[in-house]
Amino acid sequence: AQTVTQSQPEMSVQEAETVTLSCTYDTSESDYYLFWYKQPPSRQMILVIRQEAYKQQNATENRFSVNFQKAAKSFSLKISDSQLGDAAMYFCAFSTGANSKLTFGKGITLSVRP
Amino acid sequence: NAGVTQTPKFRILKIGQSMTLQCTQDMNHNYMYWYRQDPGMGLKLIYYSVGAGITDKGEVPNGYNVSRSTTEDFPLRLELAAPSQTSVYFCASRLAGEGIYEQYFGPGTRLTVT
Repeated sequence: AQTVTQSQPEMSVQEAETVTLSCTYDTSESDYYLFWYKQPPSRQMILVIRQEAYKQQNATENRFSVNFQKAAKSFSLKISDSQLGDAAMYFCAFSTGANSKLTFGKGITLSVRP
Repeated sequence: NAGVTQTPKFRILKIGQSMTLQCTQDMNHNYMYWYRQDPGMGLKLIYYSVGAGITDKGEVPNGYNVSRSTTEDFPLRLELAAPSQTSVYFCASRLAGEGIYEQYFGPGTRLTVT
């Protein structure tokens, strides 16, 4: 069975600073996909960034980037130039197989200090 | 496109009552999913469907039923509601096939069983 672990329940960052959110996963599959979702207080789930396991290059989306370490089964999210609107819960998620069911971590609550 | 819509947004049920959570998507996605999110936790898969007439259990299917008679609709039925089913329910959809395709989420339904 696949598992996703987010060991930090909460983090805080100063506006304009950089923060890294950690995620580890466990799987016996060699081909899979990893995602970071953001959930603001509105409850809406918003895709932040995604990564194919077969790609060596780390994904980047504007101020968001990942550090994907396949051997260590680690998938951390780096947020640069943090903004007040980045305050939310962030979920790491994993999928594999044709049905692409998502397995989520417990999430981390990120607060941004002005 | 409206994307994924869910009704109702909120509902309070008494123990033993039944209800149906509605989910509709207008993106012609074959794959649809139901997740539940308990307080302070990540999302867990209840049921999923890879096309009309095809459904399968996820991680936490007990106490729920689904049907998929059309591509657009994927209702979730709760029979004999229990306090343990108090949660926020999310419906999601995505394109068919294996790959890095994004799951699009509805706004969620907050259900309280008392």
